[in-house]
Amino acid sequence: GAVVSQHPSRVICKSGTSVKIECRSLDFQATTMFWYRQFPKQSLMLMATSNEGSKATYEQGVEKDKFLINHASLTLSTLTVTSAHPEDSSFYICSARPPGGAGANVLTFGAGSRLTVL
Amino acid sequence: DQQVKQNSPSLSVQEGRISILNCDYTNSMFDYFLWYKKYPAEGPTFLISISSIKDKNEDGRFTVFLNKSAKHLSLHIVPSQPGDSAVYFCAASALRGAGSYQLTFGKGTKLSVIP
Repeated sequence: GAVVSQHPSRVICKSGTSVKIECRSLDFQATTMFWYRQFPKQSLMLMATSNEGSKATYEQGVEKDKFLINHASLTLSTLTVTSAHPEDSSFYICSARPPGGAGANVLTFGAGSRLTVL
Repeated sequence: DQQVKQNSPSLSVQEGRISILNCDYTNSMFDYFLWYKKYPAEGPTFLISISSIKDKNEDGRFTVFLNKSAKHLSLHIVPSQPGDSAVYFCAASALRGAGSYQLTFGKGTKLSVIP
């Protein structure tokens, strides 16, 4: 089946530093990938839609200069949390929509990246 | 304003019995509904879905029921097994511009199946 790989699974950084999270579709091409964030006991919130070869589309309230998204190829999207602060600590999950399968609405998710900013 | 609501944060069920997880939504534009299962420190995995034109979809031990008039759906797991213990997210899909779909998730219900 379709696999989405995310790296790193866990990262701890100091406040003020930048962290890059990679999302790869391993056995299919994805022109669009989605980045979600989940705070404890909360739902998955869509942050942005990553579009291959063009600018990402950010959801309302998400700072595009804070969360830089690059979709350089059909199998790779990266999320960079710039100048991270403790309030950015969260579980970041990427997803993609594999072709065929259960339909256009079904997303395949990566395993997520736990970011802790000290 | 939460458009997809899972009002029960947790549910405990005895092994072999039925688990019923509930989900309510407010947006009448949602036309496709999905259930995802999530283990700790892992991403959600797709479980089962249902189109708004249907009222039931069954896949093995899992059945999803949709009541459009009540804007309510439920996931039934029978018989429940200890391996089913996880957080279950209800999600709803609506068509956005340019033919793309957006998934909106509930907060999840933590199911514990007791051996």
